[in-house]
Amino acid sequence: DSGVTQTPKHLITATGQRVTLRCSPRSGDLSVYWYQQSLDQGLQFLIHYYNGEERAKGNILERFSAQQFPDLHSELNLSSLELGDSALYFCASSVAQGSSPGNTIYFGEGSWLTVV
Amino acid sequence: GNSVTQMEGPVTLSEEAFLTINCTYTATGYPSLFWYVQYPGEGLQLLLKATKADDKGSNKGFEATYRKETTSFHLEKGSVQVSDSAVYFCALPSNSGNTPLVFGKGTRLSVIA
Repeated sequence: DSGVTQTPKHLITATGQRVTLRCSPRSGDLSVYWYQQSLDQGLQFLIHYYNGEERAKGNILERFSAQQFPDLHSELNLSSLELGDSALYFCASSVAQGSSPGNTIYFGEGSWLTVV
Repeated sequence: GNSVTQMEGPVTLSEEAFLTINCTYTATGYPSLFWYVQYPGEGLQLLLKATKADDKGSNKGFEATYRKETTSFHLEKGSVQVSDSAVYFCALPSNSGNTPLVFGKGTRLSVIA
């Protein structure tokens, strides 16, 4: 158990809908990251927050947005869903930012999203 | 920028066989190096890490040594079990700012009884 908690674990929804994925980081971790893992794209970095502020953006679509709240939990909002958005969405957390020396990133179990 | 090259799979081994999954890296300086594992239907777990040259990371019978001379971080296990069947990812911090970690493409290991 990494200490990173994600809900829901599984989600099935229809095209055009909107969903929210939730993440609670490890106790004491200030950084939260979101990744998407799909069969054809592999592991893709989406976005990074540190202590409530956006720090880095990866391949995140405009239909997707995220935020980190004062209690450090984070939510990833996916809207106007398409079939191609079906994937495993990971949240990860760490004490420091991204590539800081000695920083270790821990991943949650992921949220499986199926768009039908 | 920092990059990692990982041997391609799939790798199929019999139980109790010796495992090596090769990983070589290109990096500025001497960043920490990581192996992550993803078991079937599960999330990504940190398997082991090494934070400086000549460090050996170990966990669950797996080992990897940070070799700066050969810029390698090969994953080894002396005797694999069926339960080790998974996808293994080598990773290191990015220095480009648009992603925190650079991952290898992953090596799928299947262990048969």
